[in-house]
Amino acid sequence: TQLLEQSPQFLSIQEGENLTVYCNSSSVFSSLQWYRQEPGEGPVLLVTVVTGGEVKKLKRLTFQFGDARKDSSLHITAAQPGDTGLYLCAGASWGGADGLTFGKGTHLIIQP
Amino acid sequence: KAGVTQTPRYLIKTRGQQVTLSCSPISGHRSVSWYQQTPGQGLQFLFEYFSETQRNKGNFPGRFSGRQFSNSRSEMNVSTLELGDSALYLCASSLGARGETQYFGPGTRLLVL
Repeated sequence: TQLLEQSPQFLSIQEGENLTVYCNSSSVFSSLQWYRQEPGEGPVLLVTVVTGGEVKKLKRLTFQFGDARKDSSLHITAAQPGDTGLYLCAGASWGGADGLTFGKGTHLIIQP
Repeated sequence: KAGVTQTPRYLIKTRGQQVTLSCSPISGHRSVSWYQQTPGQGLQFLFEYFSETQRNKGNFPGRFSGRQFSNSRSEMNVSTLELGDSALYLCASSLGARGETQYFGPGTRLLVL
């Protein structure tokens, strides 16, 4: 069974600060996806990383896939209240069996 | 292009009843996956359908079943509902290749009393 450990579970910071969310596993994934979810809604895809060592930037968000394809991080620069939400990482196994494996998520609150 | 749609959005049932949830994928997407999300367990994979056939299955009891129609729309059914089945049920669609990026619908919030 593949597991994804996501940390921290909860994070509350002031507007303008930087933060990093981590996603770690002992398993190797073919790709890793990051989602953001608002209360009562489905997860919205932020990015998919597919190559070990890959770095993708989406405005103030920087995503990195580990060289060994077992871990990933999401870094937010100058956080804004609109960044508040539940951030989920999800790994796809080779061949796509077993669906996506999700981390438990990071509840992020950005205080004005 | 319209996103993934799920109906109904909210549902209240009592123990022992059964329920059917519906999902319409993004146009052109042939794979539909279902997930259960609870505060304690997070998002857990139920099953995936591709071309009207179940391609993958998670670790859930046989009370959870699904099907896919020729237009790629999918339904999932839960029989003999238990209190622990209260959750947000999410449907996700993709083009169909294994491991491809999945796009989620808004979910159906099921409350079992």
